[in-house]
Amino acid sequence: DVKVTQSSRYLVKRTGEKVFLECVQDMDHENMFWYRQDPGLGLRLIYFSYDVKMKEKGDIPEGYSVSREKKERFSLILESASTNQTSMYLCASSLSGPNYGYTFGSGTRLTVV
Amino acid sequence: GENVEQHPSTLSVQEGDSAVIKCTYSDSASNYFPWYKQELGKGPQLIIDIRSNVGEKKDQRIAVTLNKTAKHFSLHITETQPEDSAVYFCAASMNSGYSTLTFGKGTMLLVSP
Repeated sequence: DVKVTQSSRYLVKRTGEKVFLECVQDMDHENMFWYRQDPGLGLRLIYFSYDVKMKEKGDIPEGYSVSREKKERFSLILESASTNQTSMYLCASSLSGPNYGYTFGSGTRLTVV
Repeated sequence: GENVEQHPSTLSVQEGDSAVIKCTYSDSASNYFPWYKQELGKGPQLIIDIRSNVGEKKDQRIAVTLNKTAKHFSLHITETQPEDSAVYFCAASMNSGYSTLTFGKGTMLLVSP
């Protein structure tokens, strides 16, 4: 069964910490995405990548960065965590090109205290 | 950019009834419209999608319709069951190089036995 695996289901971090969220897919997909999910706001795109070492900003990139050193791995980095980054973070992957559905991971619920 | 509106935000039905969720989109260049189901504690899962060259698509108890002129598309679930209870998201994307999915804010469907 194809999978997108997010390394942590729950994380609690302190304000100002540097936080790494890891995502790995085993489907040889070219595209990978990081979304943030908040009640009443739906899914908002933070960053995406169409190839190794390539990244593009989504709708809400402020306060975040990403790294894609290998095709199967896409990391989201919170440079200095703040309480307003408390949220559910979802990683997804898809085949190259438009009009392909995404496969999502189970999410990481991050709490910044 | 694309904007996707989804209604209703919550929907309660009795088991066996039908449920309809509606979405509108703003960019006439969009031509791919997937629907995702998110169960509690899980990531969204693709359940059905439709492309702009098709007006309707069915898969067992679920169907999606698309009206490109009016720029709206709908998810129809017949003979609802308690296991259909979840949050449903619609999305849209364009058929262009690095197009990404834009999601609606979601509909919480509750099916009562």
